[in-house]
Amino acid sequence: QQQVKQSPQSLIVQKGGISIINCAYENTAFDYFPWYQQFPGKGPALLIAIRPDVSEKKEGRFTISFNKSAKQFSLHIMDSQPGDSATYFCAASMGNAGNMLTFGGGTRLMVKP
Amino acid sequence: DSGVTQTPKHLITATGQRVTLRCSPRSGDLSVYWYQQSLDQGLQFLIHYYNGEERAKGNILERFSAQQFPDLHSELNLSSLELGDSALYFCASSPPGRKTGELFFGEGSRLTVL
Repeated sequence: QQQVKQSPQSLIVQKGGISIINCAYENTAFDYFPWYQQFPGKGPALLIAIRPDVSEKKEGRFTISFNKSAKQFSLHIMDSQPGDSATYFCAASMGNAGNMLTFGGGTRLMVKP
Repeated sequence: DSGVTQTPKHLITATGQRVTLRCSPRSGDLSVYWYQQSLDQGLQFLIHYYNGEERAKGNILERFSAQQFPDLHSELNLSSLELGDSALYFCASSPPGRKTGELFFGEGSRLTVL
């Protein structure tokens, strides 16, 4: 059962544009929502994360927007750069599961120069 | 470099065989998580060990088993291999104590079953 659904599966954006990736979750017990970035041949690495007590978190060009009532969250990459080309995974975890993460299916982002 | 070491990086074997994947967590991390990444399934949680004890199981097949040793390294054993077991297997570790939600992933072991 996929508890975190991610869209789109792939995304092509021009350099300088905004990349938007969306995720929806089902389990209301989730209380931590990170985004991971994965480059080819590498393992995923934490990019940015949010807890449900805030609606937005910004770190540089990366912003998470969180809508608790809709059980949705999204990643916005402003001024997208070719170096941002990677696969992005949203994830969720719950308090009694330690750091065990349930991942979305991933979005392959390509930023064209 | 995340500090998590996985070996081997690549492994090619035949159906029916058995393989062992090894993971060394970051220094000081007590938790080890195993994930399977295939093209059509994304990152699937397999199993979690904390300080030598199994803490949680995910979608791990009965043909697969894992353990964490006293020196905290972990091994994932895959037996009676099938073509569908071809995937990237990631190990991740996290520090003890306060839940941070951050996992540190190794670079993975790519398994090809022919």
